[in-house]
Amino acid sequence: SQQGEEDPQALSIQEGENATMNCSYKTSINNLQWYRQNSGRGLVHLILIRSNEREKHSGRLRVTLDTSKKSSSLLITASRAADTASYFCATVVSTLGRLYFGRGTQLTVWP
Amino acid sequence: GAVVSQHPSWVICKSGTSVKIECRSLDFQATTMFWYRQFPKQSLMLMATSNEGSKATYEQGVEKDKFLINHASLTLSTLTVTSAHPEDSSFYICSARDPLRVGTYEQYFGPGTRLTVT
Repeated sequence: SQQGEEDPQALSIQEGENATMNCSYKTSINNLQWYRQNSGRGLVHLILIRSNEREKHSGRLRVTLDTSKKSSSLLITASRAADTASYFCATVVSTLGRLYFGRGTQLTVWP
Repeated sequence: GAVVSQHPSWVICKSGTSVKIECRSLDFQATTMFWYRQFPKQSLMLMATSNEGSKATYEQGVEKDKFLINHASLTLSTLTVTSAHPEDSSFYICSARDPLRVGTYEQYFGPGTRLTVT
């Protein structure tokens, strides 16, 4: 079953702008991950944030986690046309490591 | 980095036939692999967890007799869609965890297999 729900479902911005995507989930988690998928392709891991962390950075990516609200956000700063893709959050609820994905946000960055 | 391949990348088959999809970890040994399916413009749905040398663990609502999973070696898991029907048409994606990096919880995804059942 799907754990996460992304918001918005689609986001369209200009190059140079920041893109913010939100994710909500339903149960307690071990960690939350963000993945990127280019059209019709496999997924690429972007960043992982553990349940005891509140914020994490990786290059132009910033992820926050609020376990009290069961929500996370992904911020991509200074977006580029090459960032155009679908972005999914996925939760891990146990050490077995199974991923449960949200519906995703389709990001389009116009040059 | 860890690379996972899938074969074939796309397949068209007739209704009633069976199709086998392979998932290989190319530069690491994966004791655990996962199979997902994805419908157009939708999310990935976890179908099953494939464990080397033992039976797969299926998610609720996934028919184990319909989707046969075999993880016979540390680098290969196969998904066989038996007696395929048009509603089985989907994008099937596998992933693997590197046992040397289990603590990271990161999964490495294959490029996916597009199955079309006519």
